[in-house]
Amino acid sequence: AQSVTQPDIHITVSEGASLELRCNYSYGATPYLFWYVQSPGQGLQLLLKYFSGDTLVQGIKGFEAEFKRSQSSFNLRKPSVHWSDAAEYFCAVGAGNFGNEKLTFGTGTRLTIIP
Amino acid sequence: KAGVTQTPRYLIKTRGQQVTLSCSPISGHRSVSWYQQTPGQGLQFLFEYFSETQRNKGNFPGRFSGRQFSNSRSEMNVSTLELGDSALYLCATGLAGGNTDTQYFGPGTRLTVL
Repeated sequence: AQSVTQPDIHITVSEGASLELRCNYSYGATPYLFWYVQSPGQGLQLLLKYFSGDTLVQGIKGFEAEFKRSQSSFNLRKPSVHWSDAAEYFCAVGAGNFGNEKLTFGTGTRLTIIP
Repeated sequence: KAGVTQTPRYLIKTRGQQVTLSCSPISGHRSVSWYQQTPGQGLQFLFEYFSETQRNKGNFPGRFSGRQFSNSRSEMNVSTLELGDSALYLCATGLAGGNTDTQYFGPGTRLTVL
């Protein structure tokens, strides 16, 4: 069965510093990978997705992620974080019977930004 | 284009009652998936509907059910509520659920069971 691991439960970074959130997946076939962000009490907003092709994908809000098949990883990065980036981040793999209609999520990484 | 709409946004119920939650998809989206989010279990998939048919099902008891209407709007129902059903219920919609499809989430319904 597919699974997603986000090893960091909580990360604290200074405003302006770079950020990397880790995500490892386990999936037998070609993975379809997503990063979502959730602000407190809100739904999930899509940051970026990887389906195929270029392994470095660009998303919204200045985020990017790199797919590394050899490491089964899909880490999220941002060169300089802003206070508004404080939120919870979820990595997910699409694993439905017909495609990505069913997502399996990691446990999330809570990001705190300090001035 | 309007986003995914969920109603109501907040609900308070007591044990033993039942509840119905509604999800209106983005225009043109025909796949609707439901998720339960709790601090202890995280985000868990409940079920997915497409063209009024349940295509995928997660590992939840039969108290959790859903349906989809011809206009793609979906409802989920939880009967005989338990304290552990307190959660944020999220729906996500997509075009058809293919390998290049993307799920877009609504704001969620916060259910509190007392």
